[in-house]
Amino acid sequence: QVQLVQSGAEVKKPGASVKVSCKASGYTFTDCYIHWVRQAPGQGLEWMGWINPNTGGTNYAQMFQGRLTMARDTSISTAYMELASLRSDDTAVYYCAKVLLGPSYYNYGMDVWGQGTTVTVSS
Amino acid sequence: DIVMTQSPLSLPVTPGEPASISCRSSQSLLHSYGYNYLDWYLQKPGKSPQLLIYMASGRASGVPDRFSGSGSGTDFTLKISRVEAEDVGIYYCMQALQAPNTFGQGTKLEIK
Repeated sequence: QVQLVQSGAEVKKPGASVKVSCKASGYTFTDCYIHWVRQAPGQGLEWMGWINPNTGGTNYAQMFQGRLTMARDTSISTAYMELASLRSDDTAVYYCAKVLLGPSYYNYGMDVWGQGTTVTVSS
Repeated sequence: DIVMTQSPLSLPVTPGEPASISCRSSQSLLHSYGYNYLDWYLQKPGKSPQLLIYMASGRASGVPDRFSGSGSGTDFTLKISRVEAEDVGIYYCMQALQAPNTFGQGTKLEIK
């Protein structure tokens, strides 16, 4: 079945970086964009950006510019999200989700999500 | 950025009764191709979000037909024809017209 499996929980100190992986299976990896969304404890959902696994192209939310890097390795159907210069308010669950775009930019939504990766930033 | 505003933020519902959630955007979500870039997601307690509705009215695979989405431009609605106990959780609308994608604050549905 189609699934996204994320790497395990991380604990980081302020100023460090974290890299989260998202391994896809059950579909053609390069057919769907991968989006990253995070959720701070007790808070709502916050979109971070996307990567096009086919081209490697990315689009990041302005608030993360300069700290956020998304990448992919098509040989192992895996996307990565790296966030640098971590602060305490980066403590959150980070999700990857796939989006299929159809003809004429038709967007089928984030139809499969990973299980989430908890990132805790604490001194 | 496009601001998404949901109402109500809390929704107590008796099982078997209908429910409705409103979502308004600060800019029109209608694309020149005629699509509205508005999705609805449900996050059940302790779980990852799941897609319910895409492009304002498209029901995602496996979603019961008691869920329906409507609206265009800046005003959208998610309706549940008959609420069941398994529908509890937080419902989010999200615009996908322009980056950054933005979510509503969330509406918490609980069973009376």
